Amino acid sequence: RKEVEQDPGPFNVPEGATVAFNCTYSNSASQSFFWYRQDCRKEPKLLMSVYSSGNEDGRFTAQLNRASQYISLLIRDSKLSDSATYLCVVNIVDSNYQLIWGAGTKLIIKP
Amino acid sequence: EPEVTQTPSHQVTQMGQEVILRCVPISNHLYFYWYRQILGQKVEFLVSFYNNEISEKSEIFDDQFSVERPDGSNFTLKIRSTKLEDSAMYFCASSAQGVGTFGSGTRLTVV
Repeated sequence: RKEVEQDPGPFNVPEGATVAFNCTYSNSASQSFFWYRQDCRKEPKLLMSVYSSGNEDGRFTAQLNRASQYISLLIRDSKLSDSATYLCVVNIVDSNYQLIWGAGTKLIIKP
Repeated sequence: EPEVTQTPSHQVTQMGQEVILRCVPISNHLYFYWYRQILGQKVEFLVSFYNNEISEKSEIFDDQFSVERPDGSNFTLKIRSTKLEDSAMYFCASSAQGVGTFGSGTRLTVV
């Protein structure tokens, strides 16, 4: 089983719709969780950290479910500019430095 | 907003040659990282660096690779005797703690 798994997509979603995707992780010792966004041929950029209590930033909501070992990202009122690959990233407790990356979920917002 | 700067943006090299990829981390950051992303694949951790020494390295980071912080500002990745499969985007990141800020990457093409 891969350490961090994501549906590669693509998710084709009409503008204005709500879209959600999940990411599962295999290591129960995982400590920190993040969503990154990566545009084509660009560097990953931190979208948001994922806290145990969940967190919201504008149209974006991230949730953590430790029991089922997954994190989710919800995007409301999607914009054309949300089209990108969304990368799930996990940091394990016995490693302060190494981030484990999912392969990403590609999102395409259509007008 | 502070940036991580990487040079060159694109490097073409012949198989068997040595390359040095350069990074200028954000000035008050203490942790430095190299990642690579083969086209169409996920981001992979290579190495982290703290207090002038390697903190962690992945299986990918074998004797072919080395890192240095030759002065107070630069952080370099040297790849000796390059192979075709070393062709990838190489991202540098730095952080004060936790997740890093990424540079825009160096696209390495080995021919």
